[in-house]
Amino acid sequence: GAVVSQHPSWVICKSGTSVKIECRSLDFQATTMFWYRQFPKQSLMLMATSNEGSKATYEQGVEKDKFLINHASLTLSTLTVTSAHPEDSSFYICSARGGPAGRSYEQYFGPGTRLTVT
Amino acid sequence: AQSVTQPDIHITVSEGASLELRCNYSYGATPYLFWYVQSPGQGLQLLLKYFSGDTLVQGIKGFEAEFKRSQSSFNLRKPSVHWSDAAEYFCAVGAGAAGNKLTFGGGTRVLVKP
Repeated sequence: GAVVSQHPSWVICKSGTSVKIECRSLDFQATTMFWYRQFPKQSLMLMATSNEGSKATYEQGVEKDKFLINHASLTLSTLTVTSAHPEDSSFYICSARGGPAGRSYEQYFGPGTRLTVT
Repeated sequence: AQSVTQPDIHITVSEGASLELRCNYSYGATPYLFWYVQSPGQGLQLLLKYFSGDTLVQGIKGFEAEFKRSQSSFNLRKPSVHWSDAAEYFCAVGAGAAGNKLTFGGGTRVLVKP
């Protein structure tokens, strides 16, 4: 149980276009989802936290107008990178909080989405 | 603000040997501490966590970690490494409600020699 999926796993887009990444909790309801960014050979950096039905809370330095996050249901959150540029190329990882009874504090991570902007 | 340091970027260990990964944290309150493992193509998997109580924590895959408040450390150990343990390991400290907001260390890549 407690599986999180991301789609797509890999995407290439042209500079100036927008790309949407989906994060789904497959077998549990996620009241909170998190979006991270991971640069090659580096650690994960939290971008934003989203609660179902509420506006996302962005970390300092993250442009909310560039990285649009929507958490429309208890099983789906989306990250849209608007007007993407090569510097937005990165590995984007989501996690979902919530899970089997007694383990509600644990975050479950998706496999990540590799974004390449050409 | 909280921070996590993993001093070792790479560690190479022989299969069957013991492994210890270091983690030091900085946080003003009682920390929620986590160790995750990241394998290529897979999401981060939680190995173990410390919230309170016994400072020696047992996790999955034969891993354990010890919380030492005086040293602000949460080192991960495994007595006998298997080739499948080759991966990237991340220590994290959680802040906020129930350690909700995670700050990760830089990671340690473990290579296992046959």
